[in-house]
Amino acid sequence: DTGVSQDPRHKITKRGQNVTFRCDPISEHNRLYWYRQTLGQGPEFLTYFQNEAQLEKSRLLSDRFSAERPKGSFSTLEIQRTEQGDSAMYLCASSLGQLDTGELFFGEGSRLTVL
Amino acid sequence: TQLLEQSPQFLSIQEGENLTVYCNSSSVFSSLQWYRQEPGEGPVLLVTVVTGGEVKKLKRLTFQFGDARKDSSLHITAAQPGDTGLYLCAGASWGFKTIFGAGTRLFVKA
Repeated sequence: DTGVSQDPRHKITKRGQNVTFRCDPISEHNRLYWYRQTLGQGPEFLTYFQNEAQLEKSRLLSDRFSAERPKGSFSTLEIQRTEQGDSAMYLCASSLGQLDTGELFFGEGSRLTVL
Repeated sequence: TQLLEQSPQFLSIQEGENLTVYCNSSSVFSSLQWYRQEPGEGPVLLVTVVTGGEVKKLKRLTFQFGDARKDSSLHITAAQPGDTGLYLCAGASWGFKTIFGAGTRLFVKA
């Protein structure tokens, strides 16, 4: 399978713990995006990378959230000191970037439940 | 701040009926996409429209991009239970991030 893969698919944690999600994009894609989706809503933009550079980060994102893409390939999204309001589906997507069509290819998501 | 508004938010229809979903914004987009999402899965791209006034057809689905590139519609002819899902519109602006509408949840009853 050469699509976007995310790990883990499900994570249950206690409030105050740290969690990390990993995303492996489609290999030839140089843009990588993180979105968050809560029940009944569309995906909400968190951040995106062009290769290893983080080009934009949502102002809604608190400093407990950090994302990296160290070698321009896979990316990690870490949430520190989780809160119940962080419970959501975290979606990763990739795109070719240079064609600038806006088309995104999503992984299956990582569902976070904070107890 | 760019916003995409979708309507209706929820639609429940009988198999065989036609329906239209709307996506509106006050912003101009370089392209607009429609995605379909199943519960517990990521969105799957259905179509991209780029040119104002463009119409694209995908089997029983017809997508239209507004002349001013601010709005779009999705029309489904003779809906089937397999069309059930969350339909999302998304807009991209010349190299910037893609934003999504809140989605239209469609339920087609057999």
